[in-house]
Amino acid sequence: QITLKESGPTLVKPTQTLTLTCTFSGFSLSTSGVGVGWIRQPPGKALEWLALIYWDDDKRYSPSLKSRLTITKDTSKNQVVLTMTNMDPVDTATYYCAHRSIGGYVDYWGQGTLVTVSS
Amino acid sequence: EIVLTQSPDFQSVTPKEKVTITCRASQSIGSSLHWYQQKPDQSPKLLIKYASQSISGVPSRFSGSGSGTDFTLTINSLEAEDAAAYYCHQSSSLPWTFGQGTKVEIK
Repeated sequence: QITLKESGPTLVKPTQTLTLTCTFSGFSLSTSGVGVGWIRQPPGKALEWLALIYWDDDKRYSPSLKSRLTITKDTSKNQVVLTMTNMDPVDTATYYCAHRSIGGYVDYWGQGTLVTVSS
Repeated sequence: EIVLTQSPDFQSVTPKEKVTITCRASQSIGSSLHWYQQKPDQSPKLLIKYASQSISGVPSRFSGSGSGTDFTLTINSLEAEDAAAYYCHQSSSLPWTFGQGTKVEIK
């Protein structure tokens, strides 16, 4: 059974750096074809993909946010970390981590964590 | 970037009615189109993968069709528990993109 859970601050100030951790179970991020991605959703709005890390440590980012994002993995701890610099109130959203299946689609999502950016 | 456009944005439907949601891609994505259901305050749930492939545990009233640029999610005989937002998502190429969502309300 695959599960993922996001953790991190619920409130950050403008210009600060956000660090979110995704802790997962039920799969290994060293299995060929597997990945973990981050997706966010502002309140009442649509889903937006942010970043993806593959089993082989290949990393991909949203072109519009690439300069602000870093994704890393710790396979031994079953964790993936996303950092986003220079936070702004428009970054207020629920942040999800998700499992990318070997088939290439997202099949499992974490419960999400709401991050509010406010002074 | 591949843009996904869903229609309609909102639909109010009576139980047992049939619901059809469309998703149009700005360029051909083969069958790399997936559908998700998101209920209020919940994370998205995978309903259909690769345009038309069913997912274990998902009721059979949910089905998908299409390829290339035009895709459809159909809910046959809508039930009250189907009130949710529905999103399409393409994994054909990065950046991954999602449709803007379709909210289905039960009358």
